[in-house]
Amino acid sequence: GQQVMQIPQYQHVQEGEDFTTYCNSSTTLSNIQWYKQRPGGHPVFLIQLVKSGEVKKQKRLTFQFGEAKKNSSLHITATQTTDVGTYFCAETDSWGKLQFGAGTQVVVTP
Amino acid sequence: NAGVTQTPKFQVLKTGQSMTLQCAQDMNHEYMSWYRQDPGMGLRLIHYSVGAGITDQGEVPNGYNVSRSTTEDFPLRLLSAAPSQTSVYFCASSSQSLKAFFGQGTRLTVV
Repeated sequence: GQQVMQIPQYQHVQEGEDFTTYCNSSTTLSNIQWYKQRPGGHPVFLIQLVKSGEVKKQKRLTFQFGEAKKNSSLHITATQTTDVGTYFCAETDSWGKLQFGAGTQVVVTP
Repeated sequence: NAGVTQTPKFQVLKTGQSMTLQCAQDMNHEYMSWYRQDPGMGLRLIHYSVGAGITDQGEVPNGYNVSRSTTEDFPLRLLSAAPSQTSVYFCASSSQSLKAFFGQGTRLTVV
């Protein structure tokens, strides 16, 4: 079964607002990756976090790995319509196998 | 750059039919995987391969076979299609950087 739980499952955001999606695990994660899937599209790699407490930024996206390596978050500021899609977190092992969360589906209203 | 190529993009099968989903990558990646995506469940691993001639089962392998005779190709075979196999299938490849590249997906309907 899934080791990583994502909340919320759905996120409705007004354009220009900020929001955060969370990824939680009951066990320590070796790493966490984030992917974005546009409607009708395929998952696209965004970032990988490996170190405890690590924070990485990509323009309006901020990714964080918890101190205990049991949770991660993705924060998007000033949401745009281009941010529409489903965001997945996943843990990968050393063989490239991914254990995905169920994803957060983001809908942006103008 | 082609990346990961999946064919076909869409397929309708009758229950009991067999077929092969094709996946090819041109990045010389060692690791390749097949996932299925169902609403509300994220992507689940079906089978994976860590190199030519080496494959293993993932979370949901029943009803599927794979082989990896070359580094580039990793076909997924449905032995006897069932309605429960209606899903979107994604092939992915990665190197030791573990950044995964996904194909465009195959939308399969079994009637």
